[in-house]
Amino acid sequence: AQSVTQPDIHITVSEGASLELRCNYSYGATPYLFWYVQSPGQGLQLLLKYFSGDTLVQGIKGFEAEFKRSQSSFNLRKPSVHWSDAAEYFCAVGLGSGGTSYGKLTFGQGTILTVHP
Amino acid sequence: DTGVSQNPRHKITKRGQNVTFRCDPISEHNRLYWYRQTLGQGPEFLTYFQNEAQLEKSRLLSDRFSAERPKGSFSTLEIQRTEQGDSAMYLCASSPDRRNTEAFFGQGTRLTVV
Repeated sequence: AQSVTQPDIHITVSEGASLELRCNYSYGATPYLFWYVQSPGQGLQLLLKYFSGDTLVQGIKGFEAEFKRSQSSFNLRKPSVHWSDAAEYFCAVGLGSGGTSYGKLTFGQGTILTVHP
Repeated sequence: DTGVSQNPRHKITKRGQNVTFRCDPISEHNRLYWYRQTLGQGPEFLTYFQNEAQLEKSRLLSDRFSAERPKGSFSTLEIQRTEQGDSAMYLCASSPDRRNTEAFFGQGTRLTVV
């Protein structure tokens, strides 16, 4: 069965510092990979997605992620964190059946990001 | 606003009562998903509709849970005889029926069973 691991439950960075959130997945086929962000009491907003092609994907709010098949990883990065980036971040793998069912997702446990001024 | 809409946003109920949540997907999306998120965890898949057909149900969806999407538009999730362990955020998502697209999530319904 597929699984997603986010090794860091909580990360604290200073505003303006760089950020990397780790994500490792276990899946038998080529995965469809996503990063979502969730503010307290809110739903999930998509930051970026990977389906195929260029392994470095750009997302909203200055985030990027790199798919590394050899490491089964899809780490999220941002060069300079803003206080408004404080939230919980979820990595997810999408399951395909005939390549069309991307809404059924397996999520990691999440990483809470705290930003110090 | 043309996003996924969920109602109510919050629900407090007594143990043993029945509750029903509603999800209105993005209008042109024919796929609809329900997820449950407990505190400190990522969302977990519950069930999936393609139009009005319920195509998949997770083992998490016990007999006390039922979901419907009668006309292929909005969906309801009902929990009968609620238990304290049902306390969670219930998230709805929708997606169009085409390749290389993501699911769009609503803001969720927070259920508290007391």
